[in-house]
Amino acid sequence: DAGVTQSPTHLIKTRGQHVTLRCSPISGHKSVSWYQQVLGQGPQFIFQYYEKEERGRGNFPDRFSARQFPNYSSELNVNALLLGDSALYLCASSHDRGWADTEAFFGQGTRLTVV
Amino acid sequence: KQEVTQIPAALSVPEGENLVLNCSFTDSAIYNLQWFRQDPGKGLTSLLLIQSSQREQTSGRLNASLDKSSGRSTLYIAASQPGDSATYLCAGGSGGYQKVTFGIGTKLQVIP
Repeated sequence: DAGVTQSPTHLIKTRGQHVTLRCSPISGHKSVSWYQQVLGQGPQFIFQYYEKEERGRGNFPDRFSARQFPNYSSELNVNALLLGDSALYLCASSHDRGWADTEAFFGQGTRLTVV
Repeated sequence: KQEVTQIPAALSVPEGENLVLNCSFTDSAIYNLQWFRQDPGKGLTSLLLIQSSQREQTSGRLNASLDKSSGRSTLYIAASQPGDSATYLCAGGSGGYQKVTFGIGTKLQVIP
């Protein structure tokens, strides 16, 4: 079985531009979460989607948005990019909506560089 | 608000040594804790998941414990190998769904 796949793997954007990151969860998983990991820090929670609805949101500005499609894949969109948005963006999938009794599996991430 | 702290920030040990990585959290209502491994520039690999009703989990040379009352989890690595060199992150789930809080990680180097 394929694991969590993210695309693209690397991306360079200019300040003020828009970016879309994509994630395909493990087959059968209905929950997708997005995290931002700045160099030297732990991942920070951005969003969780379960059954195509937003179920959780972290402390990120409205420039960040996401959605989940009927096939449970997901997109993370970031508008008006800032230099500080440069980070590794990680997607995690799990079978259930919470972490209480289900393991989360992460993709390899998208490295976004804003110049 | 959940806060997760990992000590030490970095650790260097000779091959074959047993070692312990520490993770502390502030919200005792944590409903699970997961340990991950991250290689440089890569995603996270799940190592062990401990549910709130459990006290420990084992996988091969790895053993993780959870003590909710003291707000601590430890990851024990037996007979360390150079291939164990990586950053180890712990993450606590609380407050519903997948609003998970990560520590900054412990960077482990195992010297041959």
